[in-house]
Amino acid sequence: GAVVSQHPSRVICKSGTSVKIECRSLDFQATTMFWYRQFPKQSLMLMATSNEGSKATYEQGVEKDKFLINHASLTLSTLTVTSAHPEDSSFYICSARARLAADTQYFGPGTRLTVL
Amino acid sequence: ILNVEQSPQSLHVQEGDSTNFTCSFPSSNFYALHWYRWETAKSPEALFVMTLNGDEKKKGRISATLNTKEGYSYLYIKGSQPEDSATYLCGPSKGFKTIFGAGTRLFVKA
Repeated sequence: GAVVSQHPSRVICKSGTSVKIECRSLDFQATTMFWYRQFPKQSLMLMATSNEGSKATYEQGVEKDKFLINHASLTLSTLTVTSAHPEDSSFYICSARARLAADTQYFGPGTRLTVL
Repeated sequence: ILNVEQSPQSLHVQEGDSTNFTCSFPSSNFYALHWYRWETAKSPEALFVMTLNGDEKKKGRISATLNTKEGYSYLYIKGSQPEDSATYLCGPSKGFKTIFGAGTRLFVKA
């Protein structure tokens, strides 16, 4: 299957700093990338959908100024958590899809963010 | 907004048992239904994508069925093995996005 990488896998930062997480599709062109957040013992919560070259579409309740998403190329999307606070500590995972809604999404391994 | 429900939330079975889980979702505006297996410390792995009412897919000991008219999908595991222990996620697609259920956490005891 296709491979999606995510970097870093784990990050610890101080409150008030910004953190950037990268998501790369290594062997296919991803028209659409998704960012999810997982709270403890809960499922994946979709944060936003990004299409290459256009602005991300955020889900209700997700602050776009807080979680900046850039999908600059068909193989790279970034999520920047700005001015992070302890409540932003979570597991963030991205996925990439080639083309259609019926196409398989390929997930990265996720990033564990801890804000002190 | 898609409301996806998966049941049971968790399941403990013995090695060799067969088991099944349910995924329920609104049947209107449905496009595709995805099943994933998510093992601890790994990326979720795609199992099946189904689009047609009555679709049945099979991969080894795992199979899935889809009923788009009533809005549900079943995932079956025949002869469970310890390596089947994982969280099984289902996610219907509507438009560009896929919304996932809370998952069913399967524990298979040897």
